[in-house]
Amino acid sequence: RKEVEQDPGPFNVPEGATVAFNCTYSNSASQSFFWYRQDCRKEPKLLMSVYSSGNEDGRFTAQLNRASQYISLLIRDSKLSDSATYLCVVNMRGNTGKLIFGQGTTLQVKP
Amino acid sequence: DVKVTQSSRYLVKRTGEKVFLECVQDMDHENMFWYRQDPGLGLRLIYFSYDVKMKEKGDIPEGYSVSREKKERFSLILESASTNQTSMYLCASSLPPVNSGGFQDTQYFGPGTRLTVL
Repeated sequence: RKEVEQDPGPFNVPEGATVAFNCTYSNSASQSFFWYRQDCRKEPKLLMSVYSSGNEDGRFTAQLNRASQYISLLIRDSKLSDSATYLCVVNMRGNTGKLIFGQGTTLQVKP
Repeated sequence: DVKVTQSSRYLVKRTGEKVFLECVQDMDHENMFWYRQDPGLGLRLIYFSYDVKMKEKGDIPEGYSVSREKKERFSLILESASTNQTSMYLCASSLPPVNSGGFQDTQYFGPGTRLTVL
C-alpha cells in the first residue's frame, strides 16, 4: 500500500463547478498535512496547510479526518486557472522533516 | 518570500559524464532535499540534509551523492550519468520541524532541472 494515495484523475470539470479531491495516508503518526499545487512543467507550490478542524482559503476548503486517515480538498466555483495537478502531502512519523507526496490528482477546468 | 534557485533549468549530458546540480536557498533553512520526479512515479526523495556537512539517504540514493559545505547550498552529484537518470530534479528547503503539529516542515521548491542523459 502506498503511504499517500490519491485518485490520479484526470478530473474534467466546467468553469464554475465544485470539485473535491480525496487522499488517504497510511501513517497514523503523521502530524502535518498539506495540499500542494503543481502546474505543468513547474515546481510544486504550497496551496494550503490542513488543520485538524478544517480550514478555508477563499474558494478552497481542506478537511482532515484523523480517525479515517483521510484528507480532502474542495474547490468551489472552479476557474480555468485552477487547472493543475494537486498533490496531497503528509509528514513522516516523528519529526524528521521528511514529507511524503502523493502522486497527484490532475484537474482540467474547461470553459 | 522564500527563494530556492537551481543552477540550470535544462541540461543535456552524455552517458558516463559526471553531473553537478546546484541548489541555493536564501531563507537560512536547515533542511534541504533533492527529489526526482517521473511520470507515474511522483516525487521520490534521493537525499536530504539537516545541516551543513550532514546528509542522509532518501528512498533512491543509488547512483547519486550530495554535498553540503554551506548552509545555503546543497549539491547533487551524478558520478557517472546513465540514461535512466533522465528526469526532472527538484530541490527543496524547509525549517526543522517542531513538535505537536507545527507546519515548519513546509517545503519550498526550486524551479527544477530537467536533465536528459543521452
